[in-house]
Amino acid sequence: EAGVTQFPSHSVIEKGQTVTLRCDPISGHDNLYWYRRVMGKEIKFLLHFVKESKQDESGMPNNRFLAERTGGTYSTLKVQPAELEDSGVYFCASSRSRGSTEAFFGQGTRLTVV
Amino acid sequence: KQEVTQIPAALSVPEGENLVLNCSFTDSAIYNLQWFRQDPGKGLTSLLLIQSSQREQTSGRLNASLDKSSGRSTLYIAASQPGDSATYLCAVRPEVDKLIFGTGTRLQVFP
Repeated sequence: EAGVTQFPSHSVIEKGQTVTLRCDPISGHDNLYWYRRVMGKEIKFLLHFVKESKQDESGMPNNRFLAERTGGTYSTLKVQPAELEDSGVYFCASSRSRGSTEAFFGQGTRLTVV
Repeated sequence: KQEVTQIPAALSVPEGENLVLNCSFTDSAIYNLQWFRQDPGKGLTSLLLIQSSQREQTSGRLNASLDKSSGRSTLYIAASQPGDSATYLCAVRPEVDKLIFGTGTRLQVFP
């Protein structure tokens, strides 16, 4: 069974540009989560999808971030326009059901905004 | 507000030692607690998941305990090996559907 897959693994963009990160969850996992870790800080929750619906987006920093999960399969996280403080590692995770089950994480996308 | 703290922040030990990594959290209302391992430049690998009703979980040389009432968990690594070198992260799942992470313990095991 394939794990959670994220693309790209690294991205370097200039301030003001747009970047789109992609996450393919484990097949059959309805729950998909985005997290990020900025330099020197702990990993923080961004948002949670159940199938194609946003269940909780309380962690999204601002309206420059847009997450979608069309059809309830893969998800994209777009940052537009990117700012320097957006640099960090963006992780995606998926789980089969809510609450008490294990979350499986992807390898992350390292985003550097220069 | 739930906060998760891990101590020590870094640990360097010779091969063969038994280790204890500590995790504390401020709110005991959690579904479960999960320990992860992160290798440099890699993703998070789940090590152990302890449900709120459980006291401990074991996998190979790893044993994790949970004392929900006191807001503590420990990860015990027996007979450490250089391949155990990584960052170990503790995360709790509060009543809502998200994980709250600690800042991690960076472990180095030297031969």
